Amino acid sequence: GENVEQHPSTLSVQEGDSAVIKCTYSDSASNYFPWYKQELGKRPQLIIDIRSNVGEKKDQRIAVTLNKTAKHFSLHITETQPEDSAVYFCAASKESGSARQLTFGSGTQLTVLP
Amino acid sequence: SAVISQKPSRDICQRGTSLTIQCQVDSQVTMMFWYRQQPGQSLTLIATANQGSEATYESGFVIDKFPISRPNLTFSTLTVSNMSPEDSSIYLCSVPRDSRTDTQYFGPGTRLTVL
Repeated sequence: GENVEQHPSTLSVQEGDSAVIKCTYSDSASNYFPWYKQELGKRPQLIIDIRSNVGEKKDQRIAVTLNKTAKHFSLHITETQPEDSAVYFCAASKESGSARQLTFGSGTQLTVLP
Repeated sequence: SAVISQKPSRDICQRGTSLTIQCQVDSQVTMMFWYRQQPGQSLTLIATANQGSEATYESGFVIDKFPISRPNLTFSTLTVSNMSPEDSSIYLCSVPRDSRTDTQYFGPGTRLTVL
């Protein structure tokens, strides 16, 4: 089955700096890669996603890049703010029948220092 | 986005008992997914709940321990049976936003503590 590795497990940055979180996946058939943000005690919230027919996607301060050949994708957050502090999870999936089952990375605890 | 609710939001249970968690969605969805998030850990898929058929379980999860019902397109239950302290986790359901997209949304979760 799919295996997703995520690095780093913890990341501290100064407010205003950029943060980068990286994930690799094992199944070359995976073609959908969402990123979730989970604040303490809350549900995971989708923040951005990318499909394998696209190399990069951007939404304001957040961007995701995908390298299909190397089977890795990254989350980039620019101009970080204290409210960006949370646990971020990457995930990968491929369509299986009519369902998409997500395999998650281990998570990155991002702390933005004021 | 879909509005997803779960009941209960949290519970404290005794070893050996069972707890049924409900997931309700405000729109009809073909698939519903159940995840477990152990303390400080990532999310692990338990099973996919299909309406009108048996749930599909992931490796390491069995129907006797986690029976699932899916009586209609807006509702599902997950039962955690014969609980032990190792079952203490957050249990979350998720659903696709709609049949045309890959986006999945999560319910608020049920925080289970087993003593």
